[in-house]
Amino acid sequence: GESVGLHLPTLSVQEGDNSIINCAYSNSASDYFIWYKQESGKGPQFIIDIRSNMDKRQGQRVTVLLNKTVKHLSLQIAATQPGDSAVYFCAENMDSSYKLIFGSGTRLLVRP
Amino acid sequence: KAGVTQTPRYLIKTRGQQVTLSCSPISGHRSVSWYQQTPGQGLQFLFEYFSETQRNKGNFPGRFSGRQFSNSRSEMNVSTLELGDSALYLCASSMGYEQYFGPGTRLTVT
Repeated sequence: GESVGLHLPTLSVQEGDNSIINCAYSNSASDYFIWYKQESGKGPQFIIDIRSNMDKRQGQRVTVLLNKTVKHLSLQIAATQPGDSAVYFCAENMDSSYKLIFGSGTRLLVRP
Repeated sequence: KAGVTQTPRYLIKTRGQQVTLSCSPISGHRSVSWYQQTPGQGLQFLFEYFSETQRNKGNFPGRFSGRQFSNSRSEMNVSTLELGDSALYLCASSMGYEQYFGPGTRLTVT
């Protein structure tokens, strides 16, 4: 079933290409950031996180970049696969609380 | 290790009724957070519980409430349901700041 917004920005990429999903966060006091992937009918799935004292963090096929100067976060997915098709959300955690503030999401479509 | 579980998965209620949703966190996780997801508003934080105490609260009316039990399981309750309460309600558990989500409860208010 539908679980995300109807009018999300969409990124369409060819299978095998790299994907870059961007996110502008709202609060300069945020000290922890997470990227989530949400497939239709499922809850958000943790992908990767980064703390504000870092600029870059790498995982398996994914890299998160943080630019605190312009309050910008990006998620890079290498060699994008059809299984990567989903909605991606960035989330920020402010002042070391447990309250996540989510961005509006980006839909990633992978063309075979 | 089992993930976060939520029950029921789907629910249909009528305006004015009340509803209780349940969440069982990952074993060992003591923090449980609740979020509402709608197409129009996206994912919004409702509240967070730790050791049976509400530690953080979002900007939702008092009709939305929750509680946590000694085994860390949590429930949220919505009273006097409105059509706008139709949403996917997500529960997340955490040991640190990393939150893991359950599949959600799809609530439809008619």
